[in-house]
Amino acid sequence: QQQVKQSPQSLIVQKGGISIINCAYENTAFDYFPWYQQFPGKGPALLIAIRPDVSEKKEGRFTISFNKSAKQFSLHIMDSQPGDSATYFCAASIGTNAGKSTFGDGTTLTVKP
Amino acid sequence: NAGVTQTPKFRVLKTGQSMTLLCAQDMNHEYMYWYRQDPGMGLRLIHYSVGEGTTAKGEVPDGYNVSRLKKQNFLLGLESAAPSQTSVYFCASGRPSSGNTIYFGEGSWLTVV
Repeated sequence: QQQVKQSPQSLIVQKGGISIINCAYENTAFDYFPWYQQFPGKGPALLIAIRPDVSEKKEGRFTISFNKSAKQFSLHIMDSQPGDSATYFCAASIGTNAGKSTFGDGTTLTVKP
Repeated sequence: NAGVTQTPKFRVLKTGQSMTLLCAQDMNHEYMYWYRQDPGMGLRLIHYSVGEGTTAKGEVPDGYNVSRLKKQNFLLGLESAAPSQTSVYFCASGRPSSGNTIYFGEGSWLTVV
């Protein structure tokens, strides 16, 4: 049973456009929701994260929107750039053990110049 | 300023052979993790450790063993490699404190033939 479902599997966006990636979770005990960015041949790196007590968090061009009642959260990348082309993973965890996370299957984003 | 270092980066094994992947972190983190990443899938937790001398099973522990004899090192062992263990392995480390950021190594590509 997959606890975190991510969509779409791949996404192509024009430079300057908005990229939107969605995740849905099932376990209401999850209390930490990070997004990771992974470039080919590299390990994932934390991009931005949110806790369920807020509905939105913004860091530069990256925004997480969180809907607790729907058990969904999404990543928005504004003014998408070719350098944003990477694989993005959502995740969810409980408590302070953030590495003990359930990950989504990933979204491969391609930003065309 | 190495962060999380994994060795080796690439390895080809024959079925039935054994090997050990080494993860070293220089950030004095309490928590360490081993994941595997397969095509089209997110990361799946194999084993983790919350401190020196402790280990715990993750989501997919079968066929793997781990040891954490020193705080800075976390070893992942394959006693009898199988083709199903062909994957990219990532190590990560973090603290059980505010921010919950975990830091990943660059990965170890393992092929079992």
